[in-house]
Amino acid sequence: GNSVTQMEGPVTLSEEAFLTINCTYTATGYPSLFWYVQYPGEGLQLLLKATKADDKGSNKGFEATYRKETTSFHLEKGSVQVSDSAVYFCALSDQWSETGGGNKLTFGTGTQLKVEL
Amino acid sequence: DSGVTQTPKHLITATGQRVTLRCSPRSGDLSVYWYQQSLDQGLQFLIHYYNGEERAKGNILERFSAQQFPDLHSELNLSSLELGDSALYFCASRSGRVNTGELFFGEGSRLTVL
Repeated sequence: GNSVTQMEGPVTLSEEAFLTINCTYTATGYPSLFWYVQYPGEGLQLLLKATKADDKGSNKGFEATYRKETTSFHLEKGSVQVSDSAVYFCALSDQWSETGGGNKLTFGTGTQLKVEL
Repeated sequence: DSGVTQTPKHLITATGQRVTLRCSPRSGDLSVYWYQQSLDQGLQFLIHYYNGEERAKGNILERFSAQQFPDLHSELNLSSLELGDSALYFCASRSGRVNTGELFFGEGSRLTVL
């Protein structure tokens, strides 16, 4: 079945440091890949996504590239801020069909990021 | 604001009891998904409904059940509650018409079983 593996946290960085959170996946077919972010006390919000190989998703300074050859979707940000402190989830979506199931997200375990001044 | 509404936000109950969690999806979204988030298990997919019909089941216990009503809102029923059922339960929705893969999550219902 589908699975997502992401680096364990917590990751603690100083403000303006470079961030990488590794994510690799196992899936059949051509899944879509996502990064979701969960701020304290809130639900999950989509941060970025990529739907096919070599696509780069980007949002709010975060980027991730869909690498089919390495089955990876690593999250990066060049300069983190205290406000980026949150839990980050890598996820994949199986293929969707109108008549069947699908598009349920399989999540990694989440990586907590703490950014300090 | 994702447009997905979950009630109640917090619920404290005792072992052996039954509770119902409610979810209103985004306007027009046909699909509703339920997830359980616990410290030791992470985010686990429970069940998916599409336009009133069950489409996929994940790691949902037999003590749990769900349904989606004609107005597209959904309820997750948890019965014979155990301490280990304490978790954050999320509902998510997506449009049935556009295949973007993205799910929109509510803020969750935090269940505490004492």
